[in-house]
Amino acid sequence: DVKVTQSSRYLVKRTGEKVFLECVQDMDHENMFWYRQDPGLGLRLIYFSYDVKMKEKGDIPEGYSVSREKKERFSLILESASTNQTSMYLCASSFGQHPSDNEQFFGPGTRLTVL
Amino acid sequence: LAKTTQPISMDSYEGQEVNITCSHNNIATNDYITWYQQFPSQGPRFIIQGYKTKVTNEVASLFIPADRKSSTLSLPRVSLSDTAVYYCLVVLDDYKLSFGAGTTVTVRA
Repeated sequence: DVKVTQSSRYLVKRTGEKVFLECVQDMDHENMFWYRQDPGLGLRLIYFSYDVKMKEKGDIPEGYSVSREKKERFSLILESASTNQTSMYLCASSFGQHPSDNEQFFGPGTRLTVL
Repeated sequence: LAKTTQPISMDSYEGQEVNITCSHNNIATNDYITWYQQFPSQGPRFIIQGYKTKVTNEVASLFIPADRKSSTLSLPRVSLSDTAVYYCLVVLDDYKLSFGAGTTVTVRA
């Protein structure tokens, strides 16, 4: 079974802190994604990566950056956390060259609270 | 607001068929339509994917009209365990992935 793991289920940080969210997948997938999920808004894509060191902005990249130094690991970075970044963050991965061609496998999510 | 729209919620009873329609007027020409299911405290899980007409698997059917501006997920004979949030995912004509806001399906005994 494909497994996507996220470093924390719950995280509490203070405004202005630098926050790292880590995601690891074990199936050699080319594509990896970071979403945030908010009530009434569904899942919104922050960034995705289709290869090591490659990244593309999603709908809401402002305030976030990403890093993919190894194929299995995709990190989301909040350079200076703000209260409006309090949310559920979901990581996903998929096979293939095109992000929409194949099913995405999701991690369990990280509930981030910024105080 | 999501560019891909679906009803906020639907109620049903065990054994009934549930149909959820997603509208995506600006869908890209050559990409799939995908549906996911999400239970509380879990990430979404793939249900079904299609490009046109009808696709069926062991858990659901997906109906896509010729213009592909909408799609309908059909859950036959639902049970209590089908209570979940259902999301459609498309690629829009600006090549951006777009999830709907989700439809909460509640199945009652």
